[in-house]
Amino acid sequence: GNSVTQMEGPVTLSEEAFLTINCTYTATGYPSLFWYVQYPGEGLQLLLKATKADDKGSNKGFEATYRKETTSFHLEKGSVQVSDSAVYFCALNGGGSNYKLTFGKGTLLTVNP
Amino acid sequence: GAGVSQSPRYKVAKRGQDVALRCDPISGHVSLFWYQQALGQGPEFLTYFQNEAQLDKSGLPSDRFFAERPEGSVSTLKIQRTQQEDSAVYLCASSWGRGLRNTEAFFGQGTRLTVV
Repeated sequence: GNSVTQMEGPVTLSEEAFLTINCTYTATGYPSLFWYVQYPGEGLQLLLKATKADDKGSNKGFEATYRKETTSFHLEKGSVQVSDSAVYFCALNGGGSNYKLTFGKGTLLTVNP
Repeated sequence: GAGVSQSPRYKVAKRGQDVALRCDPISGHVSLFWYQQALGQGPEFLTYFQNEAQLDKSGLPSDRFFAERPEGSVSTLKIQRTQQEDSAVYLCASSWGRGLRNTEAFFGQGTRLTVV
């Protein structure tokens, strides 16, 4: 079945540091890949997505590239801000289902001023 | 509405009690999803509706869990005879299309259920 493995947290960074959160996946077929973010007290929000190999999703300075050869979708940001503190979830949709999301366990990011 | 609304936000139930969790999706959204998120884990799929039809309930953990969406809008997740292992955050999401092809799932803030 489908599965997502993402970097264990928590991750603590200083403002303006470089961020990488690793995500690898297992799926049949050609899944779509997502990063969701959950800010304190809020619901899950879609941060970015990529639907085919070599696509790059980007939003709010975050980027992730769909790498089929390494089955990875790592999240990066060049310079984090305190407001980026949140829990980040890698997820996929596919493998025979066009409606079911499979999530990783989430990575808590804390950015200190 | 402005977003997906879930109520109550918090629910404490005694073991053995029945509970009902409500989800108001974004108006006009065809698809509705329920997920269960245990502490420190990612959300796990429970069930999927397309309008009023429940197309997949494979993720429901036991026959104590029941979901409905009778008029294709508001949905209720019911848990009978709650057990401690049912303690989790229950997330509802909706999307305008059928499934997630070329569309986005919008999530509510969730209902945190604690069974004591």
